[in-house]
Amino acid sequence: QITLKESGPTLVKPTQTLTLTCTFSGFSLSTSGVGVGWIRQPPGKALEWLALIYWNDDKRYSPSLKSRLTITKDTSKNQVVLTMTNMDPVDTATYYCARAYQLLYAEYFQHWGQGTLVTVSS
Amino acid sequence: DIQMTQSPSSLSASVGDRVTITCQASQDISNYLNWYQQKPGKAPKLLIYDASNLETGVPSRFSGSGSGTDFTFTISSLQPEDIATYYCQQYDNLYTFGQGTKLEIK
Repeated sequence: QITLKESGPTLVKPTQTLTLTCTFSGFSLSTSGVGVGWIRQPPGKALEWLALIYWNDDKRYSPSLKSRLTITKDTSKNQVVLTMTNMDPVDTATYYCARAYQLLYAEYFQHWGQGTLVTVSS
Repeated sequence: DIQMTQSPSSLSASVGDRVTITCQASQDISNYLNWYQQKPGKAPKLLIYDASNLETGVPSRFSGSGSGTDFTFTISSLQPEDIATYYCQQYDNLYTFGQGTKLEIK
């Protein structure tokens, strides 16, 4: 059974750096074709993809947020960490991590964590 | 950046109705498109990948079609448990979600 769970602060102050950890089980991030991504959703709004790291350490970032994001993996701990610098109230959202999978030409977010709500406020 | 535009933004339908949602890409994305369902307070769930492939365990009343810039998601016979917001997502060039279509029961 594949599970993912996000953890991190629920409240951060403006200008601070957010660090979120995705801890997963049921799969390995050293398996070909497997990745973990981060997607966020402001209250009442649409999904927004942030970053993705693949088994081969291929890292991809949203162009609009690239300067603020860093994604890393710890394969031995089954964890992926996302850091976002210079947080602003507009970054208030539920942050999801999701297992990504590449199969031939298909690529999709197949399993999702429950999400964690992060509020940015002074 | 590739933009994804869904229509309608919301729709109301009756149980048993055939429901169709469209998704248009700002440029040709071949068939590199997925569809997700998100119920209130829950994480999204993958329904369709690669434009028309049904994810394992997803009911056959859900289907997807299209290629290039125009895609369609269909529920052949709406069930009460299908009330949710549906999102398309492209993966031709990085990843972009549509703005969502909120489906309600009439």
